[in-house]
Order: sequence, then structure tokens, then C-alpha cells
Amino acid sequence: AQTVTQSQPEMSVQEAETVTLSCTYDTSESDYYLFWYKQPPSRQMILVIRQEAYKQQNATENRFSVNFQKAAKSFSLKISDSQLGDAAMYFCAYVGGGSEKLVFGKGTKLTVNP
Amino acid sequence: NAGVTQTPKFRILKIGQSMTLQCTQDMNHNYMYWYRQDPGMGLKLIYYSVGAGITDKGEVPNGYNVSRSTTEDFPLRLELAAPSQTSVYFCASRSQGAATPYGYTFGSGTRLTVV
Repeated sequence: AQTVTQSQPEMSVQEAETVTLSCTYDTSESDYYLFWYKQPPSRQMILVIRQEAYKQQNATENRFSVNFQKAAKSFSLKISDSQLGDAAMYFCAYVGGGSEKLVFGKGTKLTVNP
Repeated sequence: NAGVTQTPKFRILKIGQSMTLQCTQDMNHNYMYWYRQDPGMGLKLIYYSVGAGITDKGEVPNGYNVSRSTTEDFPLRLELAAPSQTSVYFCASRSQGAATPYGYTFGSGTRLTVV
């Protein structure tokens, strides 16, 4: 079964600085999708960024970018110019192409210090 | 668009009681899902549906039932509630569009406490 591991239960960053959240996954599939979701205290699950495994180019969305290392099965999230509103739980997630089973990591709690 | 709407937002149940968590989406999505999120954990898939009349088990289906009679609605039924079912429940849906593969939309969740 596919697994997603987030090894950092908590991280903190100073406002305007850069932080990287780690994620590794285990799969034998070649076609899959990876996601980072943000969950603020409101509980809403908000998609931050998505990466298709067949794409070699790392996905970027404004201040958010990923470092996708397919061979190492690593998918880290970099947040640049951190803002107070970035404080939240961040979940890494995986789904195999053709599957309906989105698998989540346990999450990383990000604190942004002013 | 309302997106994915879950009701109720909060509920306290006594052990052995039953209830139905409601989920409705207005995006004409074929695919719908129920997840649970335990404290300090990520979401785990309970059940999913790929279309009206079709449902399938996810990772943690025991103690739950679902039905999908329409495209819009995907209720989750808890029979004989147990303390282990205390959790936050999320409903989600997604389209089949190739432009945004696996573009999930999540509801705002239902916090359920079983005492």
C-alpha cells in the first residue's frame, strides 16, 4: 500500500523568511499525483500545489514551490517570503493514477513568527 | 456556487445512537468521498463513489454505511456510534476534467463527538 511520510511534526519560520516542509512517499506506480494541502484553524482543506509525476518540471504557485525528486520519492514544499497567514497544518498527499484513494501524511504544523 | 456542503457542523452523540452526516455538492461532480481526520493525523478514506448507484470501501469503512442515489448527495450513516468514531469528517468531490486532474473540493467538515 502507498504511504506518505511527513517527518516534521512542527516547523517554525520568521515572517518574510523561507521554510521547507519535507514529504516522502512509497509507491511502485509510475503514474501518480502529489499534493500539498493547507488546513488553517477553520478546518477547511485548501489545495496549495499539485504535481503530476510525469512532469519533470517542479510545480510553482506564487510563493509556493516544490522540489520533486521522483527517484528519491521526495516531494518537499518551499514557502518563500512567509506570511502570518501561512500559519496552518500542511498535509502532503498522494493518489495513484486511476485510483480513488487519496493518501495523506500526518501533517506538519507551521508557525510563522512576526 | 456553494461547492461541497456538509451538515451538521458539530454533533454530540451518545454511545449506541445512530446518525447521518449529509453531504451535497452542486458542481455536477461524479466522484465523491468521505474522509475522517483523527487528532494529529491526516485524513483517511472511509468510502467513495464514482457515480450515482456506485459506492466502494476505502481504508476505514467499518462502522459506516453510504448510499448514492443522486449525483449531488452522498450521505454517511453511522450505526451504533462508538467512542472510536469521534473525529472530524470531511466530504469531498472531484470532476473528471483532464484540465484539472484530481481537482478535489472539500467541505468544511463535521466535528463528531461520541460520549
